[in-house]
Amino acid sequence: NAGVTQTPKFQVLKTGQSMTLQCAQDMNHEYMSWYRQDPGMGLRLIHYSVGAGITDQGEVPNGYNVSRSTTEDFPLRLLSAAPSQTSVYFCATTTSGGDTQYFGPGTRLTVL
Amino acid sequence: DQQVKQNSPSLSVQEGRISILNCDYTNSMFDYFLWYKKYPAEGPTFLISISSIKDKNEDGRFTVFLNKSAKHLSLHIVPSQPGDSAVYFCAATFSGSARQLTFGSGTQLTVLP
Repeated sequence: NAGVTQTPKFQVLKTGQSMTLQCAQDMNHEYMSWYRQDPGMGLRLIHYSVGAGITDQGEVPNGYNVSRSTTEDFPLRLLSAAPSQTSVYFCATTTSGGDTQYFGPGTRLTVL
Repeated sequence: DQQVKQNSPSLSVQEGRISILNCDYTNSMFDYFLWYKKYPAEGPTFLISISSIKDKNEDGRFTVFLNKSAKHLSLHIVPSQPGDSAVYFCAATFSGSARQLTFGSGTQLTVLP
């Protein structure tokens, strides 16, 4: 039981490049979400999904796309990377009636 | 406008003493509060939570207190241990679900041996 896994652990991009951050979970949780963590700002919600085929925006969705074709996977796509997207990205999951979220280990992204 | 605030970026405490981490919120719709602990290069891990119908919740060395009228909560760690050294995030949400969390900026706790 791996829990929540994220790949890659580290990534460096140039401005304008696109990429996909992967998130997978083996806990059969309905709810998945993406957060970014910036110094002095805590974690902020980017997008979330309450189940396969259903996604919605969080607090800071601009510049990111998501899709949820399966319960297990919830990829986050950066369409055209900008230096302002330099951050640490965390994926999290919970059950529909869950009281807490389980976080992955994070992806550290640098955009030059 | 930060809806959840942790005004102390850092806190140092001697081993064996009490650590008190504070958190304030502005949105009166929040009715469920959580504390997460984060070590470097790892994701946050859930520590303890409290519903707005309670004013205290205890789990071993960790106790969370909620003062709804002041919109303030605190996490007490007694006794503090060096392994407790980490960043602690306060988070808030609605209706007893942890689905959409609003986080504070975190407090770095250092427990000195």
